[in-house]
Amino acid sequence: GAGVSQSPSNKVTEKGKDVELRCDPISGHTALYWYRQSLGQGLEFLIYFQGNSAPDKSGLPSDRFSAERTGGSVSTLTIQRTQQEDSAVYLCASSPRDRSTDTQYFGPGTRLTVL
Amino acid sequence: GEDVEQSLFLSVREGDSSVINCTYTDSSSTYLYWYKQEPGAGLQLLTYIFSNMDMKQDQRLTVLLNKKDKHLSLRIADTQTGDSAIYFCAESGTGRRALTFGSGTRLQVQP
Repeated sequence: GAGVSQSPSNKVTEKGKDVELRCDPISGHTALYWYRQSLGQGLEFLIYFQGNSAPDKSGLPSDRFSAERTGGSVSTLTIQRTQQEDSAVYLCASSPRDRSTDTQYFGPGTRLTVL
Repeated sequence: GEDVEQSLFLSVREGDSSVINCTYTDSSSTYLYWYKQEPGAGLQLLTYIFSNMDMKQDQRLTVLLNKKDKHLSLRIADTQTGDSAIYFCAESGTGRRALTFGSGTRLQVQP
């Protein structure tokens, strides 16, 4: 079946503009995660959605970052007034159930470049 | 907070064994994972180990966990050029769903 998909695969934007990154999780997966991978760094957790529960936003680096998950499926990560330090690969992952053993399946990521 | 550390680079010859090491700080870690990232691709889960285990073997992969020293290793037997990638160690703890990742180890396999 289809894996996690993300769009766009690459996004170049100017400093100060807003961007939206999309994630389509695997069908039926109730948990969805956003991570950020900066150059030469590991993955940094941003936000986690599980079913209809309130999202865990503890990893969002500033109030310029927000995310939504509509209908328990597709998620959109929005970065307002982008800064150069926002340049990174943004990775989305989903897992089938809210258990720590469940594998997180990752998408290919969106490479964001802020000029 | 939680911290996971890995060496940055490892170079081996084809056919040799590779050992990638990872240390972590969170004593409440329950699961530890190894992910592989090939150029331009997403992360692929290779294997994981529960914290009450000390070893797990899956074909060419052997994971060793020393919980006392908070040390995790991934051994790849008979390393092939297709194993060249970045390998990430990650951990999750009780009540935490998000994974904490190391910075990744770039494995280069020389023919």
